Amino acid sequence: GQSLEQPSEVTAVEGAIVQINCTYQTSGFYGLSWYQQHDGGAPTFLSYNALDGLEETGRFSSFLSRSDSYGYLLLQELQMKDSASYFCAVGRGSTLGRLYFGRGTQLTVWP
Amino acid sequence: DTGVSQDPRHKITKRGQNVTFRCDPISEHNRLYWYRQTLGQGPEFLTYFQNEAQLEKSRLLSDRFSAERPKGSFSTLEIQRTEQGDSAMYLCASSLGVDTQYFGPGTRLTVL
Repeated sequence: GQSLEQPSEVTAVEGAIVQINCTYQTSGFYGLSWYQQHDGGAPTFLSYNALDGLEETGRFSSFLSRSDSYGYLLLQELQMKDSASYFCAVGRGSTLGRLYFGRGTQLTVWP
Repeated sequence: DTGVSQDPRHKITKRGQNVTFRCDPISEHNRLYWYRQTLGQGPEFLTYFQNEAQLEKSRLLSDRFSAERPKGSFSTLEIQRTEQGDSAMYLCASSLGVDTQYFGPGTRLTVL
């Protein structure tokens, strides 16, 4: 099977930087994705890493270390609208396209 | 630019009734996925189509669940003889490749 671990809650203040970690156990690892979900909304794609290293998209960056089965999402210059749940998800080569999601990290940004 | 759409957005039904949900993917996307999400959990994979072929079904999908994607366009998910445990948000997603899935707004099912 597969498992993903991420913190259940993170809090920070506006303008700060926050890192949400994700460790995973799976066979046939293909890639690590990050999704954002506001209350009552649909998951929205943020970032994808298939290779080791850092991917940067505006205020958001994502990192992957395949050898450590570890990744993180880095959110900079936090804004109130960033308050949401953040999910890491892994894809496996044997079930290409299917995503396995973690339980999510609830981020609360305070003014 | 139209995203993934789902209909209905909310469905309330009585236990034992059948329900059907529809998903319209982004037009050029050949892959379509159904997930189920309950409160405090991440989405759980149910099934996946590439064009009209259903390539994988989760063991979560009992024989009361069936999905179709005729002509490789829209998809339907039917639940027969609904149970209270079926209450959840049913999410549809579509993609062109394997790295980015675009989710619809979901159908919230409540089984009384």
